[in-house]
Parts: sequence; C-alpha cells; structure tokens
Amino acid sequence: RKEVEQDPGPFNVPEGATVAFNCTYSNSASQSFFWYRQDCRKEPKLLMSVYSSGNEDGRFTAQLNRASQYISLLIRDSKLSDSATYLCVVGATSGTYKYIFGTGTRLKVLA
Amino acid sequence: NAGVTQTPKFRILKIGQSMTLQCAQDMNHNYMYWYRQDPGMGLKLIYYSVGAGITDKGEVPNGYNVSRSTTEDFPLRLELAAPSQTSVYFCASSRSGANNEQFFGPGTRLTVL
Repeated sequence: RKEVEQDPGPFNVPEGATVAFNCTYSNSASQSFFWYRQDCRKEPKLLMSVYSSGNEDGRFTAQLNRASQYISLLIRDSKLSDSATYLCVVGATSGTYKYIFGTGTRLKVLA
Repeated sequence: NAGVTQTPKFRILKIGQSMTLQCAQDMNHNYMYWYRQDPGMGLKLIYYSVGAGITDKGEVPNGYNVSRSTTEDFPLRLELAAPSQTSVYFCASSRSGANNEQFFGPGTRLTVL
C-alpha cells in the first residue's frame, strides 16, 4: 500500500460545479497534512493546511478524518483557473522532517 | 524576498557528465530539501538538511550528493549522469520540520542523453 494515495483523475467538471477529492494515508502516526496546488510544469504551492477541526478558505474546504486516515478537499463554484493538479502531502511522524507526497489529482474545469 | 531560487532552469547533459544544481533561499529557513518529479509521479525526496552542516538521505539518494555549508545554500551534485536521472528537480525549504509549509523553487528540468 502506498503511504499516500490519491485518485489521479482527471476530474472534468463544468464551471460552477462542486468537486471533492480524497486522499488516504497509511501511517496513523502522521502529524500534519496539506493540500498543494501544482500547475503544469510549475512548482507546487501551498493551497491550505488541514487541521483536525477542518478549515475553510473561501471556496475551498479541507477536512481530516483520523479514524479512517483520509483527508479531503472540497472546491465549490469551480473556476477555470482552478484547473491544476492537487497534491496531498502528509508530514512524517515526529523525529523526522520528511513530507510524503501523493501523485496528485488532476482537475480540469470546463467552460 | 526572492524565496527559493534555483539555477539553471534547464540543462541537457550527456551520459557520464557531472553538474551541480544550485538552490538558495533567503527566508532563513533551517530545513531544505531536494526532490525529483518524474512525469505522472509524485515528488520523491533525494536529500534533505535540517541545518548547516547536517544532511541526510531521502528515498532516492543514489547518484546524487549534497552539501550544506551555509543556511542559505543547498547545492545538489550529480556525478556520472545517467538517463534515469532525467527529471524535474525541485528544491524546497521550510521554517522547521514537517508541520510547516514548504516553499518550492521553480525547478530545474534536466535531460540526460
């Protein structure tokens, strides 16, 4: 089993749609969770950190479910500019300084 | 602040050649990382550093070397380039450990022919 797993997609959705991605992680001792956005041939950039209580930033909502070991990202009212690859990133357990990256989920928002 | 900078942006190497990928950050971050990203794959950690003078291997260190003589710089050395090292290389930094956001450089696209 991969340490961090994501559905690669692509998810093709019309503008204005709501879309959700999940990401599962294998190490129950993982301590930090992030969603990054990566545009084609560019570097990843932080979209949002994921907290135990969940968090929201405008049209984006992230949730953490420790019992089932997954995190989710919900995008409401999709824009063309949301088209990108969304990377799930899990911070390794204490004592190391490593991040584990999922392979990413591709989103295409269609006009 | 420039953030994380990388040079060169692109490079083509012949098999057996060597090169150094440069990475610098001006955020006074202690933690720095080198990743490679192959098409359709996630980022794989090559080496990381938790401070000047301290480096450690990641998942895929073979064929690479690093040094960290200053907080700002974290160069990656490729010795005896091989086609399997064709990839996009990203350098990143973070303020402290894996509970913090990583900032990435723009990447170096390397092709080994």
